[in-house]
Amino acid sequence: DTAVSQTPKYLVTQMGNDKSIKCEQNLGHDTMYWYKQDSKKFLKIMFSYNNKELIINETVPNRFSPKSPDKAHLNLHINSLELGDSAVYFCASSQDGTSYNEQFFGPGTRLTVL
Amino acid sequence: AQKVTQAQTEISVVEKEDVTLDCVYETRDTTYYLFWYKQPPSGELVFLIRRNSFDEQNEISGRYSWNFQKSTSSFNFTITASQVVDSAVYFCALSVLDDKIIFGKGTRLHILP
Repeated sequence: DTAVSQTPKYLVTQMGNDKSIKCEQNLGHDTMYWYKQDSKKFLKIMFSYNNKELIINETVPNRFSPKSPDKAHLNLHINSLELGDSAVYFCASSQDGTSYNEQFFGPGTRLTVL
Repeated sequence: AQKVTQAQTEISVVEKEDVTLDCVYETRDTTYYLFWYKQPPSGELVFLIRRNSFDEQNEISGRYSWNFQKSTSSFNFTITASQVVDSAVYFCALSVLDDKIIFGKGTRLHILP
């Protein structure tokens, strides 16, 4: 059973388009995250939700909008895609949002903006 | 502010050699947690270990061992008798109470057959 799943795995699109990435976890965790990993492998948190409530919102363009319909799902919608949005986006979850808990990561979604 | 430095960008060793990945952290908090994650070529990030700031005991898990030293703010990771399957990017990370986790920039490890 996949613990944290993301769809799609690959996403190739044109500049200016709007796209969404979906994430689901079946671990019963309360907290979910979105990370962006750039071409140099630098991993940076974008958002965190705890029980459907936004708790971390890093300095991210407002073209990026997370949505959590329930605590098992956290989707990422990106409007007006730009070349610089090309990266691998990882979803993750943890038991709760405390700093103690390890995070479980999804397989990543490689977004390429042409 | 918290910071994690992994000074080694890339390391190559021949299979069966031992290799140590360095991690130096900065924080003014007295309670914090340190992590190591592995990212193999397949891309997913895998949790390896967690340490809290009050537990300086070193840890060994098979060929993997971790050396936590508060005096030097370091949390180094050693792989003994390395294998090709150990080839990956390894991330050290730090979190403090009520704050987000900060990842280092990663060390890419190549194990050559």
